[in-house]
Amino acid sequence: AQKVTQAQTEISVVEKEDVTLDCVYETRDTTYYLFWYKQPPSGELVFLIRRNSFDEQNEISGRYSWNFQKSTSSFNFTITASQVVDSAVYFCALSNDYKLSFGAGTTVTVRA
Amino acid sequence: DAGVIQSPRHEVTEMGQEVTLRCKPISGHDYLFWYRQTMMRGLELLIYFNNNVPIDDSGMPEDRFSAKMPNASFSTLKIQPSEPRDSAVYFCASSLVVASNEQFFGPGTRLTVL
Repeated sequence: AQKVTQAQTEISVVEKEDVTLDCVYETRDTTYYLFWYKQPPSGELVFLIRRNSFDEQNEISGRYSWNFQKSTSSFNFTITASQVVDSAVYFCALSNDYKLSFGAGTTVTVRA
Repeated sequence: DAGVIQSPRHEVTEMGQEVTLRCKPISGHDYLFWYRQTMMRGLELLIYFNNNVPIDDSGMPEDRFSAKMPNASFSTLKIQPSEPRDSAVYFCASSLVVASNEQFFGPGTRLTVL
């Protein structure tokens, strides 16, 4: 069985602060994919990043960066220099073949 | 290029009525997914199709729910009869390849059953 845990339910920061979202996953598969999605107040789900289980290289894309560690089954996501428009619910998700298993989500509020 | 299209965006109905939600996937995508989002259960996969064929409907809550995909550009999710506990946001998503590619989500249909 697959499981994704996002222990942080809510995070509130002031604009320009960095925000790190934690994600811990469980799977018995050796091949799997990890995702982060964003759900702004308007309600749509927006794909942000993807990582496969064979690539632990951490990357930076603009203000987004992620830290994938198989040894601890973690896939953390950081927003650098947060902006008010980053306010949203962020979901971590895991997929092995077809099923996207989502975490419960972390609500990020960025105050001006 | 248009994304995933869902209609209606909002639906309010009374208990016992039939509800039909509609989805048009991104052209060329072979996989289509229906999800339900509630406060209590979060995002749940209900059913998914590959090349218009239902592959796994184990997430469909009960026989009141049914989904069809008559062609590559259209799918429906039907609830008959509807109940207040069906109130949720229903998302449709599509993708090219299941596991490795991201799923593109529609804007969702907010269903309220009174």
